[in-house]
Amino acid sequence: KNEVEQSPQNLTAQEGEFITINCSYSVGISALHWLQQHPGGGIVSLFMLSSGKKKHGRLIATINIQEKHSSLHITASHPRDSAVYICAKGSGGGADGLTFGKGTHLIIQP
Amino acid sequence: GAGVSQTPSNKVTEKGKYVELRCDPISGHTALYWYRQSLGQGPEFLIYFQGTGAADDSGLPNDRFFAVRPEGSVSTLKIQRTERGDSAVYLCASSLGLAGGEEQFFGPGTRLTVL
Repeated sequence: KNEVEQSPQNLTAQEGEFITINCSYSVGISALHWLQQHPGGGIVSLFMLSSGKKKHGRLIATINIQEKHSSLHITASHPRDSAVYICAKGSGGGADGLTFGKGTHLIIQP
Repeated sequence: GAGVSQTPSNKVTEKGKYVELRCDPISGHTALYWYRQSLGQGPEFLIYFQGTGAADDSGLPNDRFFAVRPEGSVSTLKIQRTERGDSAVYLCASSLGLAGGEEQFFGPGTRLTVL
């Protein structure tokens, strides 16, 4: 079982819809990362959080440490939001190589 | 300022050959990470450097894989006797290295194809 599980694996929605991507992890973390990867493109860090909630534009990330669960929300989704969204956890301690989920492939149709 | 750069962007080699992949981190970042991403999968951790030393190499799949960072900046990932299963995108990332749980900045990756 992967230490980081994401759902759904694939998500297709209409422009304007509210999007939620979920991430669960099985062991403790130093921080939980949300990343975005466009087809053929590099990986961009969206959020890094260890508690509570963060917001950037139309993106919101939340985390519940007790439940070992995080969500990424996109409000007023747009076709340019189409990408793979990846959840990753830092292991804590001095070394912080990330453990990644398999990603959620999001397609926003106009 | 410049981000993380990786060269080459694409590398095609034959089974059994030796390859080197290069990563230039963001200037001043002491932490450097190598990851590997196979098609349709999330990246997987290979090795992490703090300065010149490999702080965690637990993700290297076998002894054909080796990485160095002799001066604490540029890093080279070396793969000996390449196999078809090594085909993947190799990603490099860097961070400030001040504490655990830092934002990591990723390079564009090197796509390695072993024929």
